[in-house]
Parts: sequence; structure tokens; C-alpha cells
Amino acid sequence: DAEITQSPRHKITETGRQVTLACHQTWNHNNMFWYRQDLGHGLRLIHYSYGVHDTNKGEVSDGYSVSRSNTEDLPLTLESAASSQTSVYFCASSERLSAGGTGELFFGEGSRLTVL
Amino acid sequence: AQSVTQLDSHVSVSEGTPVLLRCNYSSSYSPSLFWYVQHPNKGLQLLLKYTSAATLVKGINGFEAEFKKSETSFHLTKPSAHMSDAAEYFCVVSDLDSGAGSYQLTFGKGTKLSVIP
Repeated sequence: DAEITQSPRHKITETGRQVTLACHQTWNHNNMFWYRQDLGHGLRLIHYSYGVHDTNKGEVSDGYSVSRSNTEDLPLTLESAASSQTSVYFCASSERLSAGGTGELFFGEGSRLTVL
Repeated sequence: AQSVTQLDSHVSVSEGTPVLLRCNYSSSYSPSLFWYVQHPNKGLQLLLKYTSAATLVKGINGFEAEFKKSETSFHLTKPSAHMSDAAEYFCVVSDLDSGAGSYQLTFGKGTKLSVIP
């Protein structure tokens, strides 16, 4: 079965360190997204990609970067982790509009990041 | 610009009684609408979706939602709550932006459903 996996599921790091969260999907979806989930804020979009070598900023992109070198993977990098980036991060993918996509998202299980 | 308002941040029901989770939206285009459920420490799972076909949509686990364009609402209902329904529920609107050739997703802030034995 197709799936979307995130790693690590839990990570503790220190302020100022670089952190990368991995996301791998086997749906063969062109669209991939990173969200963060915080109490009282719901899900907020960090970055997204509509295909290989395409990346776009979401509403809370400061301090984060992504790169898309293939269809399956969209790693999220925190260049210099800050305590405000302590959160649960979700990766998601969806079918492209031209292939009949409606916006339905397929989510990973989440990565809980703690920045001390 | 589109927006989603989930009218209750927390709903509490007794097991066996009906569930109503309310969602209002605003959209410039013809939206698709979704309800997702998130159980503790899990990712979000699709409950049901409306994509301009039947206005009454049936989903998994006995949930359904009705798209009412005149009221710009997409409320989620279930006739009889089960303990396993305790979770957080998110209403999502997806607008097809033909100009951009893509779609934009907007999440509500979520409604936490508690089920009392």
C-alpha cells in the first residue's frame, strides 16, 4: 500500500543546531506540504512543492527551508533551531490539479520536535 | 480569499447521543470541502469530502456532512457517538484557483470532541 512516512518521529535538539525532518511518500504525488501544529493555532503551512525542483513559502516559512530533488521526498530543514520551533510537524501529499486532484491530503504520522 | 470557521473549539457529548460539529466557510470559487479526524499522537485521516457532487456526503465510521451553499456551511454529524470518536476534527476548504493553476487549502482551527461514558 502507498504511504507517507516521516522520520524521526521524536527529536530533541538544542537552540542553534541544524535539524532536518524527512518525509517520504510512495503515492507518486506531485504535491507535497509541510505543516506545523501548535495548540490554539491548528495547522499552519510552512512550505510546499508542486513538483521536482519546485518549492514555495507558506504562511510560517521563516527559519525553515525545503528542497525537492525527486518526487518521493521533501525534507524540511531548520537552519538554526529556536525554541519557538518546538512543535509537531506534519508532512502531507496530494494529487495534482491536472490529474484530477481535489485538494485531498494524505498525512504522515508527524514528527514531534523539542528545541531546548 | 477563503476562510474556515469551526464554531466550537470543544464539544462534549454522552456516548450514544448525536454529534454535531459546525463549520462555516467563505470561498471565492467553487470549493471542495473536507473533514479530517486526528486521534491523539496520530496524523490526520480523511473522514469525508465534498467535491460538487451530492450535497449530503457520507464518510467513514458513520459520519456525514451536508454542504449548504446558501448558509456557507458544512456541518459534520453522527447519529450516535462512540467512545472511539473522541478526537480532534478539522474542517478544510480547498479552492481551485484557476488563475494560478493550483488549489489553496485552508484549515479550521479544529474542534475537540469528548465522549462521556
